Amino acid sequence: GEDVEQSLFLSVREGDSSVINCTYTDSSSTYLYWYKQEPGAGLQLLTYIFSNMDMKQDQRLTVLLNKKDKHLSLRIADTQTGDSAIYFCADRGGGATNKLIFGTGTLLAVQP
Amino acid sequence: NAGVTQTPKFRVLKTGQSMTLLCAQDMNHEYMYWYRQDPGMGLRLIHYSVGEGTTAKGEVPDGYNVSRLKKQNFLLGLESAAPSQTSVYFCASMGQAYYYEQYFGPGTRLTVT
Repeated sequence: GEDVEQSLFLSVREGDSSVINCTYTDSSSTYLYWYKQEPGAGLQLLTYIFSNMDMKQDQRLTVLLNKKDKHLSLRIADTQTGDSAIYFCADRGGGATNKLIFGTGTLLAVQP
Repeated sequence: NAGVTQTPKFRVLKTGQSMTLLCAQDMNHEYMYWYRQDPGMGLRLIHYSVGEGTTAKGEVPDGYNVSRLKKQNFLLGLESAAPSQTSVYFCASMGQAYYYEQYFGPGTRLTVT
């Protein structure tokens, strides 16, 4: 089946940029997402990118998509302690069931 | 507008006991999903529903059953709980937004001893 992979942990200092990477295998991917999970809470959609786009910027967030290499990244500029969370990459393939394939999640730890 | 709610928030079961987790959404969404979250494994889809009265198997359906009798509710049942079902369970729903956003509940932490 299709797969999404992420590194498990990233540590940065407050004020630095964070880059979280993700690779996926689905050739028919239509949308790719970044979800954020704060401690003890459910997931919330942070941003998404349509598969025919290379880049999307939203305030401090920049999403880059390399469709040829099936690589997705999330850059958070000026990382704050409030950005400490688990970040999940997710892939929506084709089809009408609208199922998502999630990566393992990357724990971002922001050091003051 | 409460969004997606889940009950209970926590539960401890003994092996072999049964229970039902309730998910409710007030956004009139057609699609609903049950996931389990385990350390180092991300979220895995258990069952899902594309509308009232429909259910389908996801990636890890064994040991679980679901029902969607009303559009706003999606129930997840464990008939005979096993320690391997110790996990955090999340429900999600999705409407007709063009970018297919899923809205998640706060989760249920289940421990099976």
